[in-house]
Amino acid sequence: AQSVTQLGSHVSVSEGALVLLRCNYSSSVPPYLFWYVQYPNQGLQLLLKYTTGATLVKGINGFEAEFKKSETSFHLTKPSAHMSDAAEYFCAVSTMEYGNKLVFGAGTILRVKS
Amino acid sequence: ETGVTQTPRHLVMGMTNKKSLKCEQHLGHNAMYWYKQSAKKPLELMFVYSLEERVENNSVPSRFSPECPNSSHLFLHLHTLQPEDSALYLCASSQVGTGVDTQYFGPGTRLTVL
Repeated sequence: AQSVTQLGSHVSVSEGALVLLRCNYSSSVPPYLFWYVQYPNQGLQLLLKYTTGATLVKGINGFEAEFKKSETSFHLTKPSAHMSDAAEYFCAVSTMEYGNKLVFGAGTILRVKS
Repeated sequence: ETGVTQTPRHLVMGMTNKKSLKCEQHLGHNAMYWYKQSAKKPLELMFVYSLEERVENNSVPSRFSPECPNSSHLFLHLHTLQPEDSALYLCASSQVGTGVDTQYFGPGTRLTVL
């Protein structure tokens, strides 16, 4: 079975500081990995995804994530936080073995302090 | 309209009412999904339609009844709901059969059952 663990249900950073949201996955086969963002009262928006190839993936709004197979991790980073980054972030995994069904983590709420 | 749209955005209903949620995707995809997002719980996949056939029903109570008349439209018919069914209902779509199924989400319908 596949699963996702997001460390920290809440993360607080100052504006301009580094953003680091942690995601670890469990999968017996090569995974596809995703980060989605959800702003209040909205749906999920795709930030970035890893399928194959380059392990450092760049997404929208200055976010990037690195797939580390040895650590089974796919942490999301952004060098400098903006107030507009305050939202909830979801990591998700899928595999062809499970019909590409998305399995989501519990989410991390990012707060940005001025 | 672009992307995935959902109507209504907000719905309040009594336990004896019958209502329907509507989802429409403008992305040319061939698969559609219903998810339930409750407070403090991971996203729950409810139903999956691929090529207009239901391919997944995750032990959802029969008071939720999906309908997919064509590849662009998805409905969720609701009847005799319970207060614990209050949640954000998200629709998503993807293109299956092309390798990685990337799901794109609508803004959701916030349902309150009184």
